[in-house]
Amino acid sequence: EAEVAQSPRYKITEKSQAVAFWCDPISGHATLYWYRQILGQGPELLVQFQDESVVDDSQLPKDRFSAERLKGVDSTLKIQPAELGDSAMYLCASSKDTGGTQYFGPGTRLLVL
Amino acid sequence: QKEVEQNSGPLSVPEGAIASLNCTYSDRGSQSFFWYRQYSGKSPELIMFIYSNGDKEDGRFTAQLNKASQYVSLLIRDSQPSDSATYLCAVKAGYGNKLVFGAGTILRVKS
Repeated sequence: EAEVAQSPRYKITEKSQAVAFWCDPISGHATLYWYRQILGQGPELLVQFQDESVVDDSQLPKDRFSAERLKGVDSTLKIQPAELGDSAMYLCASSKDTGGTQYFGPGTRLLVL
Repeated sequence: QKEVEQNSGPLSVPEGAIASLNCTYSDRGSQSFFWYRQYSGKSPELIMFIYSNGDKEDGRFTAQLNKASQYVSLLIRDSQPSDSATYLCAVKAGYGNKLVFGAGTILRVKS
């Protein structure tokens, strides 16, 4: 069964450093999502792509976060500089199209020291 | 008011009992509702989804929608210890397929 791939699975960094997360969606899925999940809370959408275009980045802290999906397939989420409050699980999900069911990858757990 | 609200729990039920999980949503125009299960340290896994036109049953799981009261429920029959997890309710909102999640309800099934 096809799955969403993410790497790394775990990342420990010091505040003010740069970090990057990678996501490869299920093959053929045009829509890709990045969520952030703080411990004890539900996932919150950071950015949504339709192919290579951003559909929704209203909750992305653009002063430090950036996301790209240059060829409309895999995607990278970057944080620079990282802050203590960025410690969370970063989840990538994909769906066939904007109306489709979302399937999540295993996530990247980030700890900022 | 949060868009999707869930009781954080924990909800404790004995093995074999029915577990009933609920969430309320604020957007009366919501059309699609999802239940995800999340084990500790893992990513959310889709259990089932329903649309505004009716309830749905899948094996031991039943999802029900009460549009008038704006809440969605998930019933788990014959609960097993392996069902112990956090259950996230999500509602599709706005343009672009955005999912708004509740904070989740912790379920503990005791053997």
